[in-house]
Amino acid sequence: GAGVSQSPRYKVAKRGQDVALRCDPISGHVSLFWYQQALGQGPEFLTYFQNEAQLDKSGLPSDRFFAERPEGSVSTLKIQRTQQEDSAVYLCASSLRFTTSTDTQYFGPGTRLTVL
Amino acid sequence: KNEVEQSPQNLTAQEGEFITINCSYSVGISALHWLQQHPGGGIVSLFMLSSGKKKHGRLIATINIQEKHSSLHITASHPRDSAVYICAVQQGAQKLVFGQGTRLTINP
Repeated sequence: GAGVSQSPRYKVAKRGQDVALRCDPISGHVSLFWYQQALGQGPEFLTYFQNEAQLDKSGLPSDRFFAERPEGSVSTLKIQRTQQEDSAVYLCASSLRFTTSTDTQYFGPGTRLTVL
Repeated sequence: KNEVEQSPQNLTAQEGEFITINCSYSVGISALHWLQQHPGGGIVSLFMLSSGKKKHGRLIATINIQEKHSSLHITASHPRDSAVYICAVQQGAQKLVFGQGTRLTINP
């Protein structure tokens, strides 16, 4: 594909449900990032992968949040027992190279999660 | 205090005006990014810079490393420039720390 894709684009969940958000990065991109963007705010870092290795998960707000990228391409962000404060747009971004270089990040369209 | 502060938070101008959005940061960085986000849309990278100035079309980005300050300028603004403009800093590893964004509205 031409860019980063995410699915679903919109997700409505009842409080307490588990959700899984998918990110397909640009083919060949080594680095993959997840960000959370609350309404009216700038994005905030959640976690980062280099290939299949999760190198930084310092931004995950609680142990209900879990991310994986088992084959170094597609990534899934899972949120267990969703709460209303989890409502946000979840953005995925990928970049070509490794952590030692500054590199353009290419963002997906995001998944808007609404927890009722 | 946030590590990345943008001003103004909201900006409304008439078509054709020269626009400036400012970004100040309080940490050491390896690069600074300017990003554009349209309503309901994804984020597009406009510039990545670590020194000096970059220009692309009607957009100009500058950075002063000593003063920890960057500006994004739009010349001859147009209604299609209406969007949220976000400043983000990169500290070593590629993780970005974002400002809260500046909502720009250009009226015809």
